[in-house]
Amino acid sequence: GENVEQHPSTLSVQEGDSAVIKCTYSDSASNYFPWYKQELGKRPQLIIDIRSNVGEKKDQRIAVTLNKTAKHFSLHITETQPEDSAVYFCAGTGGGNKLTFGTGTQLKVEL
Amino acid sequence: DGGITQSPKYLFRKEGQNVTLSCEQNLNHDAMYWYRQDPGQGLRLIYYSQIVNDFQKGDIAEGYSVSREKKESFPLTVTSAQKNPTAFYLCASSPQGLNTGELFFGEGSRLTVL
Repeated sequence: GENVEQHPSTLSVQEGDSAVIKCTYSDSASNYFPWYKQELGKRPQLIIDIRSNVGEKKDQRIAVTLNKTAKHFSLHITETQPEDSAVYFCAGTGGGNKLTFGTGTQLKVEL
Repeated sequence: DGGITQSPKYLFRKEGQNVTLSCEQNLNHDAMYWYRQDPGQGLRLIYYSQIVNDFQKGDIAEGYSVSREKKESFPLTVTSAQKNPTAFYLCASSPQGLNTGELFFGEGSRLTVL
């Protein structure tokens, strides 16, 4: 099955700086890679996703890049704000019809 | 108001007791999922169902059971065979298969075994 590894487990940045979270996956059949944000005490919500036929996708201050050859994808958040503080999860589909999540990254944006 | 509803939000259980967590959705989604969330371990898939009357084991199905008798409902039973059941449980649904869209999560149920 799919194995998704996520780094770092915690990340602290100053407000206005950029944040990068990296994930690797094992199953070359994976073709869908979403990123979820979970604020404290709330449900995870999709913030951006990318499919294997695309190398990069951007939505305002967030972007995701995918390197299929190296089997890794990354989340980039620019001009971080305090409301970006949350746990972020990457995920991959593998060859089946289920999502395998990474272990999460606790992002803290300091004033 | 469309969405996915889990109940109860908090649940306490004595060792040796079975407990059932409810998950209901009115989004008309075909697929439903149960995940378990533990600190530092992310979200791990317990069971999933792509259609009524059919479900598959996820990565950590031992000690759990599910049913999918109706499209809107996907209850999870945590049995006494689950060795470490204290956790936060999240139910989710998606319109079609996972390859085609996002998961919509419920607010979760926190189970504590006393």
